[in-house]
Amino acid sequence: TQLLEQSPQFLSIQEGENLTVYCNSSSVFSSLQWYRQEPGEGPVLLVTVVTGGEVKKLKRLTFQFGDARKDSSLHITAAQPGDTGLYLCAGLPTGGFKTIFGAGTRLFVKA
Amino acid sequence: EAGVAQSPRYKIIEKRQSVAFWCNPISGHATLYWYQQILGQGPKLLIQFQNNGVVDDSQLPKDRFSAERLKGVDSTLKIQPAKLEDSAVYLCASSLEDRGRHNEQFFGPGTRLTVL
Repeated sequence: TQLLEQSPQFLSIQEGENLTVYCNSSSVFSSLQWYRQEPGEGPVLLVTVVTGGEVKKLKRLTFQFGDARKDSSLHITAAQPGDTGLYLCAGLPTGGFKTIFGAGTRLFVKA
Repeated sequence: EAGVAQSPRYKIIEKRQSVAFWCNPISGHATLYWYQQILGQGPKLLIQFQNNGVVDDSQLPKDRFSAERLKGVDSTLKIQPAKLEDSAVYLCASSLEDRGRHNEQFFGPGTRLTVL
């Protein structure tokens, strides 16, 4: 069974702090995506990483794909209350056609 | 570009009743997905369509759930009869067929179902 494990499950921090969340698997993925979901809404795609070791930046968010394409991380610098939400990673296994979602990391940033 | 549309946004029913959800994907998106998201969990794929054909329905409880995508555009998901454990948010998503886009999915706002 191919799984994506996300950690931590829940994170509550003060505005201005930095944080990193992780997405790990024993399987190899041809691509991996990060989504953010706010309460009452569907997930919104933030980024897709494809190449092992790839780093992408989106304002204060930095995404990295592991060299072996089995894991990924999301780092947020100087978190703001607007970053609050559920962060989901999703991967397309190599040779597969079905995207697998992790359970998510629920982030709460206090003002 | 219009996003994925879903209706209704909320539905409350009693157990053993029937319910149907509707989804209209982004124009031109060949692939359509239905997910079930239970509170505190990530989305779980129920069924994936490629145009009007089913690609994967391995996690669809076929004794009570059914879905169709007539004409390869909009889709309906039905539950009959509903159980208490069906209470969840039902998300519809769509993506371009082009594998080069790595299944990047665009989600609708979801339908929150409460079964009493």
